[in-house]
Amino acid sequence: NAGVMQNPRHLVRRRGQEARLRCSPVKGHSHVYWYRQLPEEGLKFMVYLQKENIIDESGMPKERFSAEFPKEGPSILRIQQVVRGDSAAYFCASSPDLGTGNQPQHFGDGTRLSIL
Amino acid sequence: GENVEQHPSTLSVQEGDSAVIKCTYSDSASNYFPWYKQELGKRPQLIIDIRSNVGEKKDQRIAVTLNKTAKHFSLHITETQPEDSAVYFCAASNSFNKFYFGSGTKLNVKP
Repeated sequence: NAGVMQNPRHLVRRRGQEARLRCSPVKGHSHVYWYRQLPEEGLKFMVYLQKENIIDESGMPKERFSAEFPKEGPSILRIQQVVRGDSAAYFCASSPDLGTGNQPQHFGDGTRLSIL
Repeated sequence: GENVEQHPSTLSVQEGDSAVIKCTYSDSASNYFPWYKQELGKRPQLIIDIRSNVGEKKDQRIAVTLNKTAKHFSLHITETQPEDSAVYFCAASNSFNKFYFGSGTKLNVKP
C-alpha cells in the first residue's frame, strides 16, 4: 500500500527559474495539502485541494505560487521565478474523505528545494 | 484563525524518564488534535490523535490528554528510549481538516 509519493526529493534551481513539485496521494485519498518547512521550524500550511478544486489557498503567496490537483495525475505545486527565500522543504499530505469528521493527514517524504 | 503554541521548544530527558509536551490552541471550534513525530530529514509521522469528545487516549507508552475548557492538550511519553529522540509537532484542526501546527519540540533522550 503505497503512501504519499513526492518527487523529486531534491530540486536545485537558479534564481528566476520555475520549480515544479509533484505529489501523488495515498490511493483512494481525494484531499491534498501542501506545507512548507524551513530548517528548525514547524510546518506552515500553504494550500488545500480536492480533485479539480482549490479549497483553501490562504497560506500560499498570491504571486509566483500556484497549485493544482487535476482529475487524473498528481497534485502539482508550481513556483515561478524562484528567489533565494523559496529555499525550503515542501511537504505534501493527503487524507481520505472527511466522512464523519476530521481525518489524519499522511505525509510524503518532502521535496527539498534549493535556490542558487 | 487558529493559533497553536507549543512548549518547550527543546526537552532533554534521561532514558527511562517521562517526557511531557504541552500545546495550547485559541479556536474553540477546533475538534481534532493529532501529534506527529519527525526524525531528521524524514517525513512527519502520526503517532497519536485525539478528538474533542474524548479527554484522554493511550497507546502503549504514549498518551494524549485534552482539556477543552482550558484549550490545551499534552503528549506524554513514558519510559523514554533513545529512538524516541525526534522533533514532535502538535496540531489543531476544525471541521474543515485544515491543520494548524505548533512550532515543534526537539526531544533528546540521553542513554
